[in-house]
Amino acid sequence: GNSVTQMEGPVTLSEEAFLTINCTYTATGYPSLFWYVQYPGEGLQLLLKATKADDKGSNKGFEATYRKETTSFHLEKGSVQVSDSAVYFCALSRGSNYQLIWGAGTKLIIKP
Amino acid sequence: ETGVTQTPRHLVMGMTNKKSLKCEQHLGHNAMYWYKQSAKKPLELMFVYNFKEQTENNSVPSRFSPECPNSSHLFLHLHTLQPEDSALYLCASSQDKRITDTQYFGPGTRLTVL
Repeated sequence: GNSVTQMEGPVTLSEEAFLTINCTYTATGYPSLFWYVQYPGEGLQLLLKATKADDKGSNKGFEATYRKETTSFHLEKGSVQVSDSAVYFCALSRGSNYQLIWGAGTKLIIKP
Repeated sequence: ETGVTQTPRHLVMGMTNKKSLKCEQHLGHNAMYWYKQSAKKPLELMFVYNFKEQTENNSVPSRFSPECPNSSHLFLHLHTLQPEDSALYLCASSQDKRITDTQYFGPGTRLTVL
């Protein structure tokens, strides 16, 4: 079946460090892939998405590339800020019911 | 401002109480969703409505009862809940149910069942 696996957190980094949060998926066919972010006390909001292989989604300095050969959609940012502290969720959309399949989330803590 | 509002933001209820959660979206979307978010677990999709019709019910216990009177409003009626139902309940909406559609989330209702 379809599934999403994210690296376990929390991930703790210093400000201006390079960030990678790993996400791999299992799905038949060609899913769409998403990264959502949840800031403390808020609901989830879309960070970026990619709808076909080799697409790169980007937003607010974050990037992720849809890699079909490795079934991955890793999230990266070159220089993180304290304000990036949040929980990041990887998800895929596939199937006739178009439901989102979610990863468990990765908590990111950025220290000044 | 996400365009999706939820009330109340916090709710504490006993196991014998009846309460309702409300969600409203101001985005003109046709699809609405209820999710349950528990600590360290993936989001669990509970219900999906598309054009006011329920299209998905992911084996949710009958003590949760959704209602969608129109495309802008979604309710979750709660009765005789269990302590393990304590969680953050998130409402979301999307333009339609297409594979590429972005879902827009409300801030959630933090529910505690005593």
